[in-house]
Amino acid sequence: DVKVTQSSRYLVKRTGEKVFLECVQDMDHENMFWYRQDPGLGLRLIYFSYDVKMKEKGDIPEGYSVSREKKERFSLILESASTNQTSMYLCASRETGYSNQPQHFGDGTRLSIL
Amino acid sequence: TQLLEQSPQFLSIQEGENLTVYCNSSSVFSSLQWYRQEPGEGPVLLVTVVTGGEVKKLKRLTFQFGDARKDSSLHITAAQPGDTGLYLCAGDDYKLSFGAGTTVTVRA
Repeated sequence: DVKVTQSSRYLVKRTGEKVFLECVQDMDHENMFWYRQDPGLGLRLIYFSYDVKMKEKGDIPEGYSVSREKKERFSLILESASTNQTSMYLCASRETGYSNQPQHFGDGTRLSIL
Repeated sequence: TQLLEQSPQFLSIQEGENLTVYCNSSSVFSSLQWYRQEPGEGPVLLVTVVTGGEVKKLKRLTFQFGDARKDSSLHITAAQPGDTGLYLCAGDDYKLSFGAGTTVTVRA
């Protein structure tokens, strides 16, 4: 079974801090994704990566950046955290970019910015 | 703006009843996926529908993909408390576009 592991289940940070969320997958998948999930809005794509050192903006990239130095690891960075970035963050991976393949999700990081 | 509209947003039913969740889009997708998410966990794929008019069954769950590949439905027969969760549809065009989800509660 594919395992997607997010480094923290809960995280509390202060406004203005630089925040790192880490995600690791163990199945050599090419594609990795970062979403945020807010009540009534579903999952919204922040950034995705289709290969090492490659990244593409999703629907809501403002205030975020990403890093993918190794195939198995995809990091989400909040450059200067703000209260409106309080949310549930979900990481996912997919074997390739071909349609019909499932995305495999981690259990999420609930981030609170005070 | 959500590309996919799910309805209803909330559904609470008694064990043994049937329910249907709808997913509608103005866009055509190459395929559509349904996920279920339980509290404290990430979404888990239930099914992928690809062909217009396709019907797939997963035990008591029946999934339909509209002929024009813009809409889909999930029907649960004789719902059980274990069916409780957040049901999400997602259109696939290389990256997934998710609906807002339907929260289903099945009371024992």
